[in-house]
Amino acid sequence: AQSVTQLDSQVPVFEEAPVELRCNYSSSVSVYLFWYVQYPNQGLQLLLKYLSGSTLVKGINGFEAEFNKSQTSFHLRKPSVHISDTAEYFCAVSEGNAGNMLTFGGGTRLMVKP
Amino acid sequence: NAGVTQTPKFRILKIGQSMTLQCAQDMNHNYMYWYRQDPGMGLKLIYYSVGAGITDKGEVPNGYNVSRSTTEDFPLRLELAAPSQTSVYFCASSPLPGLAPESGETQYFGPGTRLLVL
Repeated sequence: AQSVTQLDSQVPVFEEAPVELRCNYSSSVSVYLFWYVQYPNQGLQLLLKYLSGSTLVKGINGFEAEFNKSQTSFHLRKPSVHISDTAEYFCAVSEGNAGNMLTFGGGTRLMVKP
Repeated sequence: NAGVTQTPKFRILKIGQSMTLQCAQDMNHNYMYWYRQDPGMGLKLIYYSVGAGITDKGEVPNGYNVSRSTTEDFPLRLELAAPSQTSVYFCASSPLPGLAPESGETQYFGPGTRLLVL
């Protein structure tokens, strides 16, 4: 069975600083990987996804993530954060042969301070 | 397109009461899902459906029921509400795998229903 671990439950960072949100997964088959963002009192919105091809994936709002198969990781990065990036970020994995079933990590709360 | 819509936005229930959480999508997606979100726990899959008339249990189905009579609607039923069902509930939908490359397995989420059982 697949599982997703987000190592940091909270990440405080100052505005304009770089940030990395960590995600590790376990699966015995090939996977699709996703990052979703949840702004306060809203639903989840897709940030970016890895299905195949280039391991560096660019998403919305200046975020990017790199798929590392050997380390089973899919860390999310942004070179310079804004106050508006304050939100909860969820990493999720879908096994390629399991339809669209997603397994979510516990989430990381990004807190951007002025 | 309205995308995925959910009603109500917020509800307070007494223990033992029943209610139905409504979910609808206008994207003609085959797959629909119900999740619950508890603090620090991420999202847990309650039930899902791969098409009208077909539903299946997810990770945490106890205390819930679903039906899928149409492609558009996927209501979630709580028969005997319990405090453990206090949570935020999200509905999502996605196209058939492989038929929409630009969507690529993406799930689209509704705004959520916040439920408090007292």
